[in-house]
Amino acid sequence: DQQVKQNSPSLSVQEGRISILNCDYTNSMFDYFLWYKKYPAEGPTFLISISSIKDKNEDGRFTVFLNKSAKHLSLHIVPSQPGDSAVYFCAASKYNQGGKLIFGQGTELSVKP
Amino acid sequence: GAVVSQHPSRVICKSGTSVKIECRSLDFQATTMFWYRQFPKQSLMLMATSNEGSKATYEQGVEKDKFLINHASLTLSTLTVTSAHPEDSSFYICSAKRGGSDTQYFGPGTRLTVL
Repeated sequence: DQQVKQNSPSLSVQEGRISILNCDYTNSMFDYFLWYKKYPAEGPTFLISISSIKDKNEDGRFTVFLNKSAKHLSLHIVPSQPGDSAVYFCAASKYNQGGKLIFGQGTELSVKP
Repeated sequence: GAVVSQHPSRVICKSGTSVKIECRSLDFQATTMFWYRQFPKQSLMLMATSNEGSKATYEQGVEKDKFLINHASLTLSTLTVTSAHPEDSSFYICSAKRGGSDTQYFGPGTRLTVL
């Protein structure tokens, strides 16, 4: 039972354009969502998070949007840079679960110069 | 910052031996640490949740006698893979979080190869 899904295994974007990474979830009890970036053979790096009481959170080039009714979140990267090329994981957690995160399968972003 | 280190970064061992992996939070106290396993081109699979001073909570299907977890202090957790077999070869990653926040900070991972 995949509670957090990233249906696009890969995405290719031109440098300078917008990258949009999508994530869907099935459990309406999730109340905190995070995006991580991961390079091969390294641990994930925290990028940005959003609480379920918000619908948008912005940090520099990264913006996360949350649509609770659709159980959908997305990460926008503007402008995309070649250094953004990595695998991006979305993750979700529920209140009072000890901080346990449920991860999506990941989307590999490739930003071409 | 929130820096988490892991040691070793890479280990090769013979089948039947035990391997210990350390996870340390360097600049914060981690009330909870997590251990994950990642297979190539797949997502992170949570193995267990470790709270300082108490027994780890293992996910379904993870053998607690095979993957021993100790969280002796607020900055250190260890994972010991006992009697390792080739199928235990994988990328093991730990993470740590502060109390009051669900944001986990990950270590760089440990590549285990069992011959």
